[in-house]
Amino acid sequence: GDSVTQTEGQVTVSESKSLIINCTYSATSIGYPNLFWYVRYPGEGLQLLLKVITAGQKGSSRGFEATYNKEATSFHLQKASVQESDSAVYYCALSESQGGRALIFGTGTTVSVSP
Amino acid sequence: NSKVIQTPRYLVKGQGQKAKMRCIPEKGHPVVFWYQQNKNNEFKFLINFQNQEVLQQIDMTEKRFSAECPSNSPCSLEIQSSEAGDSALYLCASSRGVQDTQYFGPGTRLLVL
Repeated sequence: GDSVTQTEGQVTVSESKSLIINCTYSATSIGYPNLFWYVRYPGEGLQLLLKVITAGQKGSSRGFEATYNKEATSFHLQKASVQESDSAVYYCALSESQGGRALIFGTGTTVSVSP
Repeated sequence: NSKVIQTPRYLVKGQGQKAKMRCIPEKGHPVVFWYQQNKNNEFKFLINFQNQEVLQQIDMTEKRFSAECPSNSPCSLEIQSSEAGDSALYLCASSRGVQDTQYFGPGTRLLVL
């Protein structure tokens, strides 16, 4: 079936350094899925960070960027300079093109930014 | 910020007991999704509705789980006979349409002893 893979479960990075969180997907039953990054900050609910629905395009929000790479089936999340407030759990997700459009999530990457 | 409301935030039940949780979607969002997030951070889609109609549900939901979204009342998800494996965070999300962005509530954390 369709799936999303985030290889890093935890990442620690120093403030002002760059960050990349890897996400690859398998969409065997979907031609061109919609791709999302959701984030859960400590003590808060899951919220949308960015989404891209067209292959080749880039989404951005709060200094984060992710490019929909159809050839590599990837949607890596990057930020050039992180802040302590970026400490959170980041989830990559895709949505089905059929049925009820349920989201399929990766298992998340916990990012800890040290001062 | 999402305006999806979920109650209760925490729920503790014994095995075999019923567990019921509620969700009020954002105003103007007729589509509601339920997901289960387990202790390994794995998400599982359970069921979704458009207004009062079920759009899609998984097999698990058909057996011990029941859900509804009545008109002018909160949506609800109920586990008829809780099992230890049901311990998880249950997330409700709503959207304007099935193709639109889903906005999540804070979740109901269920612990089955």
